[in-house]
Order: sequence, then C-alpha cells, then structure tokens
Amino acid sequence: SQTIHQWPATLVQPVGSPLSLECTVEGTSNPNLYWYRQAAGRGLQLLFYSVGIGQISSEVPQNLSASRPQDRQFILSSKKLLLSDSGFYLCAWSVSGGRKPQHFGDGTRLSIL
Amino acid sequence: GDSVTQMEGPVTLSEEAFLTINCTYTATGYPSLFWYVQYPGEGLQLLLKATKADDKGSNKGFEATYRKETTSFHLEKGSVQVSDSAVYFCALTGGNTGFQKLVFGTGTRLLVSP
Repeated sequence: SQTIHQWPATLVQPVGSPLSLECTVEGTSNPNLYWYRQAAGRGLQLLFYSVGIGQISSEVPQNLSASRPQDRQFILSSKKLLLSDSGFYLCAWSVSGGRKPQHFGDGTRLSIL
Repeated sequence: GDSVTQMEGPVTLSEEAFLTINCTYTATGYPSLFWYVQYPGEGLQLLLKATKADDKGSNKGFEATYRKETTSFHLEKGSVQVSDSAVYFCALTGGNTGFQKLVFGTGTRLLVSP
C-alpha cells in the first residue's frame, strides 16, 4: 500500500532563517505531488504541485519554492522566512491522470518567531 | 472558475443526532466530488468520493450523493458520535481547473457533545 511521510512534525524558526520541509511517498511511481498551507482555523491554500521530476507549478507568488529531485520526493524551501509563513504545511500525492483523490501527510506545524 | 461552497460552521450537535453538512459546487463538465475529514492537529483524510451524477459515496456511516441537477454533494450521517468532531472539507476535481488539482471548500467544523 502507499504511504506518505512528512517531516518534521513541528518546527520553530526565527524570522529570516532558511526552511526545508521534506515529503516522500512510498508504494507508487510517478505520483502527482502537492504542497498546501493552512493558516489557523482556515481553509487550504495550494502552494505548489508537480506532475514529474523537475516539473513544478507555482500557484501563489511568495518567498517559498519547491523542488522535486526524485520521483517520490518533494521539498518545500525558503531562503528567508517571514512571520506570515507561519502555518500548517501539508504534503499530498495522487495517482497521475484524471478523477483521482489526493492523499495527505500528517502535516508540519511551522511557527515563526 | 470552479468553486465549492460549504455551510458556515461550527455545527454543534448532541451525540446520536442526525448530521447534514451542505456543499454546493460550480464547475463545467463532470467533476469528481470528495469529502475529506481533518481531526485536530492532523492532515486530511479522504472520507468518501463520487465520480458521476447520482453516485453515492459512503464510508464509516457517512453518505453523500452527487446531484448534478442541484450541483450539490451534501454530507449526511444518521447518528453522530463524539469522535466525529472534526473539520469536514468538500472538494472537487475536473471542470475548468482540470484533473490535476483539487478545489476545496472552506471547511465546516463539527462539534459533537455527549
């Protein structure tokens, strides 16, 4: 069966520091991969998605970036964190093709001080 | 563009009450529809899905029917439990957005008291 792993589960970072969140999927090949952010008590905002290695689509302009160095690895990065980057970050995957649901990781809670 | 509208929360119920959470959508074509549940501090879990008109998705006592004529996908459960307290998200894929992305509603918080 397929599993998705996100780490770390929680992270506290100072303003201006770099960020790297990692997500890996097991048990499937060539998945679509997604990064979302959820502000406290709010809905989901799609940040990036990828349909293949090296292919990244950005949904919202910001100081975050994403990379997909391997088929089942998706990384969310920032060179300098802002206070507004605080939130709950969720990685998700889906089978490529149409009409497929997405499956989510357990999330990373990021607090910026 | 595509959109999903959910009823405002929180929805507060007593244990064993009947639950309805309304969801309506706007999309061209024939989107697939989903309900996700998010327990406190966790990621989203797929609760149920429907891929064509009149399909009924069901899981763990929850049901939702894809109604194309009313563009709705309301979530129902006959008897809620305290453990059902969570945030519920309605979502679609397809239509103008294409099949690579999901469009989510804003979520409805359910609080069930003993």
